[in-house]
Amino acid sequence: SQELEQSPQSLIVQEGKNLTINCTSSKTLYGLYWYKQKYGEGLIFLMMLQKGGEEKSHEKITAKLDEKKQQSSLHITASQPSHAGIYLCGADSYGGATNKLIFGTGTLLAVQP
Amino acid sequence: KAGVTQTPRYLIKTRGQQVTLSCSPISGHRSVSWYQQTPGQGLQFLFEYFSETQRNKGNFPGRFSGRQFSNSRSEMNVSTLELGDSALYLCASSYAGTLGEQYFGPGTRLTVT
Repeated sequence: SQELEQSPQSLIVQEGKNLTINCTSSKTLYGLYWYKQKYGEGLIFLMMLQKGGEEKSHEKITAKLDEKKQQSSLHITASQPSHAGIYLCGADSYGGATNKLIFGTGTLLAVQP
Repeated sequence: KAGVTQTPRYLIKTRGQQVTLSCSPISGHRSVSWYQQTPGQGLQFLFEYFSETQRNKGNFPGRFSGRQFSNSRSEMNVSTLELGDSALYLCASSYAGTLGEQYFGPGTRLTVT
């Protein structure tokens, strides 16, 4: 079965610094999703990537899906305290044939003012 | 446009009781998926409903069930509650089909004592 591995598990950065979170899959990724979660709350949709080599940006967050579609990265530029939270990557577990998502274990991000 | 709403937000039940959680998707969305999130297992897919039909199911016991109404609102029911059912239950809605952007609600925090 497909598994998603996220790294690092946790990250502490100074405000203004850039950072990258990675999501690696054992199988080809279809419909790779990035979400942000505040502890105990719902998931906030950030971006969805489908095509190999695809890159999307929203405000200071950029996500990429590699050409082989087995790894995705989330890059935050000039981090702010509002970026703090848990970042989760998710992917369709049936190769794009369903809405059944599996998720990585998450990356906890803290941003120090 | 209103987001995904879930009620109630918090719930405390006793072992052996049953519980019903409700999810109202974004207007126009026809797919509703349910997930369970626990510290130990992370986010796990429960089931998905599309046009009042269960389309996908995760690996949970039969005590977990759901349904979807003609207005796309969905409910999930857990019977004979166990302590291990304590979790954050999240629902997600998407427009239709697969590989669509999925938006999550704020979740229902269920505590079983």
